[in-house]
Amino acid sequence: AQSVAQPEDQVNVAEGNPLTVKCTYSVSGNPYLFWYVQYPNRGLQFLLKYITGDNLVKGSYGFEAEFNKSQTSFHLKKPSALVSDSALYFCAVSFSSNTGKLIFGQGTTLQVKP
Amino acid sequence: KAGVTQTPRYLIKTRGQQVTLSCSPISGHRSVSWYQQTPGQGLQFLFEYFSETQRNKGNFPGRFSGRQFSNSRSEMNVSTLELGDSALYLCASSTGLAGDGGDTQYFGPGTRLTVL
Repeated sequence: AQSVAQPEDQVNVAEGNPLTVKCTYSVSGNPYLFWYVQYPNRGLQFLLKYITGDNLVKGSYGFEAEFNKSQTSFHLKKPSALVSDSALYFCAVSFSSNTGKLIFGQGTTLQVKP
Repeated sequence: KAGVTQTPRYLIKTRGQQVTLSCSPISGHRSVSWYQQTPGQGLQFLFEYFSETQRNKGNFPGRFSGRQFSNSRSEMNVSTLELGDSALYLCASSTGLAGDGGDTQYFGPGTRLTVL
């Protein structure tokens, strides 16, 4: 079965430090991978996606993610965290012939402390 | 461009009633997907519509249905509401032109449904 795992319910980081939010996936075939962020009482905002090509993907607000096929991972990173980055982050996967359907991880709460 | 809009933002219903939620996609987008978000089950895919046709469907009972109009606006209906249907319902739009799972989906703010 296709699935996504975010092994950490919460990640705590000090402002100015680098952050990593982890994501692993299980999909047969070639995956399309996404990161979204959700602020309280809001919908999901798209951050970045991997389709094919360069394994390092750069997205919005200084975030980037690295696709690692051998480890089936797609970790989200940012060199210097901001307090305003505090939110709920979701990793999602899709694949060809599965139009319009994203399979989401359970989400990771990022807490950035001043 | 205006983003995805959903109406209403909040709804309170009682068990056994039915409800209709509305979603207007980004202009030019032809695909609309619906998701249910709950604390226990997380984000789960309901269905996707493209050019007025249901193209993909998740594992939800038949009480959950949807449709899409010629202007790409979509509605979702839940009949015979149960307490467990209380959730945030999100819709997302994409161009739908890739024809595979690679299209970026842009989400609306959601409709918060409470079933009493």
